[in-house]
This record gives sequence, C-alpha cells and structure tokens, in this order.
Amino acid sequence: SAVISQKPSRDICQRGTSLTIQCQVDSQVTMMFWYRQQPGQSLTLIATANQGSEATYESGFVIDKFPISRPNLTFSTLTVSNMSPEDSSIYLCSAKAGDTEAFFGQGTRLTVV
Amino acid sequence: AQKVTQAQTEISVVEKEDVTLDCVYETRDTTYYLFWYKQPPSGELVFLIRRNSFDEQNEISGRYSWNFQKSTSSFNFTITASQVVDSAVYFCALSGYNQGGKLIFGQGTELSVKP
Repeated sequence: SAVISQKPSRDICQRGTSLTIQCQVDSQVTMMFWYRQQPGQSLTLIATANQGSEATYESGFVIDKFPISRPNLTFSTLTVSNMSPEDSSIYLCSAKAGDTEAFFGQGTRLTVV
Repeated sequence: AQKVTQAQTEISVVEKEDVTLDCVYETRDTTYYLFWYKQPPSGELVFLIRRNSFDEQNEISGRYSWNFQKSTSSFNFTITASQVVDSAVYFCALSGYNQGGKLIFGQGTELSVKP
C-alpha cells in the first residue's frame, strides 16, 4: 500500500489564525479525502479533494472554513481557517487507488487556544 | 442513509482472553464494502480488512477473525488470545459501491488489554 505523509504532525495555534495541512502520497492515487476526528469521537468526512477542481464538501462543512487544494495526483492541502477552540481535532488525510482500500496518514493533531 | 453502529464503547480484557467487537450497519446499497481499522494511541489508522457485500465467507488472519452476516447486517471482529499490543480503538466502516471510496465510520470501540 502507498505511504501518506502529513505535515505538520501536530500544532498549537491561536484562535483566529489559519493552519494549512499538507498531505503527500508516495504514489499516484485516484481519490483523496480529508477527515476530522474530534476528541474522543469517530471520524467524519470533511470533503473529497478533486484533482484540478473544487473539492466536494460533505454536509456541515464549507469551503470558506476548510479550503482544499489538490494540484496533482499525489498532493493535497487542507486549510483550517479562522480557527476557534472547537476546531481542535485530529485531521486525517486518506487516499485510495482504484478498487483498493483507503489508507490513512498519521494525522495532524491540532489544538486551538 | 448509511450508518454504522458499534454499541461497545469500551472493552477491557485480560491478556490471552478472546474478545469480540460488534459492528452493525445500515445501507440501502446492494453492493457495498465493510472495513475494520485499528487506531493505536499514536493516532494513525491501520487497515485490517475489507469485505465486499457478495462475499460472506468468514476470514481468519492469525489471531484475528471476522464474521460477516448479511442477514443480521453485522460484521463482527474477534481477537483470539488477546495481547497488550492489541490495545487500541477499533473502527468499523462502510462504503457504498458508488460512493467513490467515502467511508462512514462507527463510533469506535476502545479495547484495553491488561497484562
């Protein structure tokens, strides 16, 4: 399976600021996704990152708050904008190639103070 | 709507005990995939198994086994002779065939294996 690298692995940010998380896959993939895992909770899909076009957001998530880019088949970024303490979560990048299982990065632990 | 329910929030066992993690799902899709992932304290999600809806054969991989029962919409996971290293949160997940790989996760079961 491919390897996903996420940066940063963790960060502590001030409220009102923005953080961009990078996701790099070591091989080309067809689909890339961003999930959020709030403390002690399950994973919730934020959006599907589409290569060369706007991301597809799930209900409850909007582009202004979580802008996503995917310039090529191996890289994507998620920005958490105008952060508040409620945004403190683990953000996970996921990818899959063809008819395979989805694999995940190690996640970015974000704390907003 | 699709939904995954893991009714067991936390399970605690003593090493070498067998333990079963329950997973019940809901979907209107006739073709779908079911998954189990492990999340150790370090936070990454580790893929354990994928099953498609047409394959109801039980699967065994070392100390791990999975029981897929379409009639009861369940996909249970058993760890035999548990070890301390099995301590983690385990997630069951569902993906419809036409969902493009999007996963619906259950709430997770936190397994604690004590020496």
